[in-house]
Amino acid sequence: SQTIHQWPATLVQPVGSPLSLECTVEGTSNPNLYWYRQAAGRGLQLLFYSVGIGQISSEVPQNLSASRPQDRQFILSSKKLLLSDSGFYLCAWSQGVGAEAFFGQGTRLTVV
Amino acid sequence: SQQGEEDPQALSIQEGENATMNCSYKTSINNLQWYRQNSGRGLVHLILIRSNEREKHSGRLRVTLDTSKKSSSLLITASRAADTASYFCATDGSGTSYGKLTFGQGTILTVHP
Repeated sequence: SQTIHQWPATLVQPVGSPLSLECTVEGTSNPNLYWYRQAAGRGLQLLFYSVGIGQISSEVPQNLSASRPQDRQFILSSKKLLLSDSGFYLCAWSQGVGAEAFFGQGTRLTVV
Repeated sequence: SQQGEEDPQALSIQEGENATMNCSYKTSINNLQWYRQNSGRGLVHLILIRSNEREKHSGRLRVTLDTSKKSSSLLITASRAADTASYFCATDGSGTSYGKLTFGQGTILTVHP
């Protein structure tokens, strides 16, 4: 069966520090991968998606970047965090159009 | 950007009652999906309804879709305290969407024992 791992679960980082959140998927190959952000009490906003190794599309201009170094690994990064980067970050995978998405447990990032 | 609105924003009911949540969206879709989120956790997929379907059932869940009105509803029958969670609709846009989902703002459901 397929599983998705996302870590860390919580993170407190100072303004200006770098960020690296990692997500890995098991039990499937060539998944579409997604990074979403959820502000408190709000719906999810798509940040990045990837349909293959090295292929990253950004949905929202921002202080973040994403990379997919391996088929089932998706990384969200920042060189210098801003206070506005605080939020709940969720990684997800799907088989593409018409398929349900499977979400990781999320990372709660607080920038102080 | 957010696709649409969910209504109500919050719903409080007693165990055994039915809960109905509504979702509206703005653009053409391939399908519409409903997800559940327990506090501070990831989302769990509940049900997917395709644009050519009007109604779908899964256990105690019933979903309807009206593409002419660009709206959907989720009905949870005989609710339980364990159904307490946030519920989100998400649309998979028409055309080459790559499975990207656009979420509503969610409905917070509280079921009192």
